[in-house]
Amino acid sequence: AQSVTQLDSQVPVFEEAPVELRCNYSSSVSVYLFWYVQYPNQGLQLLLKYLSGSTLVKGINGFEAEFNKSQTSFHLRKPSVHISDTAEYFCAVNDKAAGNKLTFGGGTRVLVKP
Amino acid sequence: DGGITQSPKYLFRKEGQNVTLSCEQNLNHDAMYWYRQDPGQGLRLIYYSQIVNDFQKGDIAEGYSVSREKKESFPLTVTSAQKNPTAFYLCASSIRPGQGSEAFFGQGTRLTVV
Repeated sequence: AQSVTQLDSQVPVFEEAPVELRCNYSSSVSVYLFWYVQYPNQGLQLLLKYLSGSTLVKGINGFEAEFNKSQTSFHLRKPSVHISDTAEYFCAVNDKAAGNKLTFGGGTRVLVKP
Repeated sequence: DGGITQSPKYLFRKEGQNVTLSCEQNLNHDAMYWYRQDPGQGLRLIYYSQIVNDFQKGDIAEGYSVSREKKESFPLTVTSAQKNPTAFYLCASSIRPGQGSEAFFGQGTRLTVV
């Protein structure tokens, strides 16, 4: 079964500093990859997705992610964070071999400090 | 506006009672999902449905039941067999999950057992 691992449960970062959130998944055969953001007591919003093609994917709010097939990773980055980026971030994998289930990682809570 | 609506936002249940969480979408999406969110555990898939009148168990289906009689509706019943139902429940939908379509989420229902 597909599994998704987000290596950091919490990431404190100062405002205007860069941040990287790590995501690894277990199977690289026929997968689509996503990053979502969740603000307190709300649903999830899509930041970006990788379907095919260029391994560097750009999303909303200045976020980008890089797909690395050999390392089965899909790390999320932002070069300069704002206070408003304080939220929880989830990596997700759509595994076509597993009946198109969408599997999520455990989440990374980002706390941006002034 | 198109979207996905969950109701109620907050729900309290007594021990031994069944409760039903509503999820409606007007996006004309084929697939719908129910996730449970607990602190530090990310989102865990309860049930999902790719077409009307068909649904599959996710990773934690025990103690839950669903129906998909209409394309736009996917209610979740939390039965008395679910031993620890207090959690945040999220419903999602996607148009074509096998082709990399992203999931759209509702605002969630917070269920508390009293």
